[in-house]
Amino acid sequence: GAVVSQHPSWVICKSGTSVKIECRSLDFQATTMFWYRQFPKQSLMLMATSNEGSKATYEQGVEKDKFLINHASLTLSTLTVTSAHPEDSSFYICSARRVGGYEQYFGPGTRLTVT
Amino acid sequence: EDKVVQSPLSLVVHEGDTVTLNCSYEVTNFRSLLWYKQEKKAPTFLFMLTSSGIEKKSGRLSSILDKKELSSILNITATQTGDSAIYLCAVATSTSGTYKYIFGTGTRLKVLA
Repeated sequence: GAVVSQHPSWVICKSGTSVKIECRSLDFQATTMFWYRQFPKQSLMLMATSNEGSKATYEQGVEKDKFLINHASLTLSTLTVTSAHPEDSSFYICSARRVGGYEQYFGPGTRLTVT
Repeated sequence: EDKVVQSPLSLVVHEGDTVTLNCSYEVTNFRSLLWYKQEKKAPTFLFMLTSSGIEKKSGRLSSILDKKELSSILNITATQTGDSAIYLCAVATSTSGTYKYIFGTGTRLKVLA
């Protein structure tokens, strides 16, 4: 158990457009979902924490209006990169924490390339 | 400011060697320490440690937490080329019931045949 999926796994978009990435916990309910960004050869950088039914908590330096997070249910969170720019190109990874658990389970990641 | 530091940053060994990876932390409201292995995609879970001094073991991998020293080690014995990956240490903290995970920079391990 504890499978997290992300969709899409890879996306290329043009500068100025918006991209939505979905994160789903497939076989468990997730109290909290996390969104990370990872640059090549670097560690994961937490962008925001989202709890079902409430507003996401963003880390310092992450623009709320640019990275819109919606946690609509206990199994789905979405990250929308609005008005994407080439510097937003990165590997975005979500993770989910099971209700009552301590571990977080990662999705496979989404590679975003903005041209 | 909460921080997690891993060492070494990078390591190259030969198959059969034993390696020890280090993770130290300075955080408020520590809840647990987790180890992950990251190959080409997202990290995969290895261990979660909450109690000091209790070793967790899975095959050739083992890990232990020292809460007094605010650190943890991950040991890999009889390394294989398939162990080549980035090993990430993360510390879970909790404030007012809200969990957050802080990641270290990772240790890049390369095992040569």
